[in-house]
Amino acid sequence: QVQLVESGGGLAKPGGSLRLSCAASGFPFSDYFMTWVRQVPGRGLEWISYISSSVTSVYYANSVKGRFTISRDNGNNFLYLQMNGLRADDTAVYYCARVRGRHLDNWGQGTLVTVSS
Amino acid sequence: QSVLTQPPSVSGAPGQRVTISCTGSRSNIGAGYDVHWYQQLPGTAPKLLIYSNNNRPSGVPDRFSGSKSGTSASLAITGLQAEDEADYYCQSLDKSLSGYVFGTGTKVTVL
Repeated sequence: QVQLVESGGGLAKPGGSLRLSCAASGFPFSDYFMTWVRQVPGRGLEWISYISSSVTSVYYANSVKGRFTISRDNGNNFLYLQMNGLRADDTAVYYCARVRGRHLDNWGQGTLVTVSS
Repeated sequence: QSVLTQPPSVSGAPGQRVTISCTGSRSNIGAGYDVHWYQQLPGTAPKLLIYSNNNRPSGVPDRFSGSKSGTSASLAITGLQAEDEADYYCQSLDKSLSGYVFGTGTKVTVL
């Protein structure tokens, strides 16, 4: 079955960096667009980035544009999110999700990123 | 930050019917983009509930249904059950933002 497992979250200082990973299995990873969505604890969902199957298209929400970079390794079935210039308002649970059509049909369990001095 | 507006909360007794609205604009729902719905049980990741306005993934009970009209959409839950207590989010695309947009979220409480 489809499985998405995020890792790499933790504590970072303001201005610091973290790299999130999402290990995908149970489906032909290279055939699917993938996306990152975050959720501040107790708050709503915010889409932040997606990447096409062949890496030809990437898009970012304005809130992370210029600071975050999405990438993927289709040979090893990994999705990544490089987060630089972290701010306190980046504190959230980060989910990777598989895109099917224009909806997100499978989600990982999430990884918590805390930005604090 | 959300561009799709939902009521913060709805409630109902077991067996009742509740509906959740999702109001957008001509840049998203009104532009013809489909609406999708997700259920988030406490402490868990979101789960796809309804896709492309009114389609249920395998395993989702037919108590859940969706509809879309103009710049809005709705999720209906009939025969409300205790296990339906969760947060619900709508989602669409937005042509101005060139990305996905989520609703503000609605907490469903079973009385």
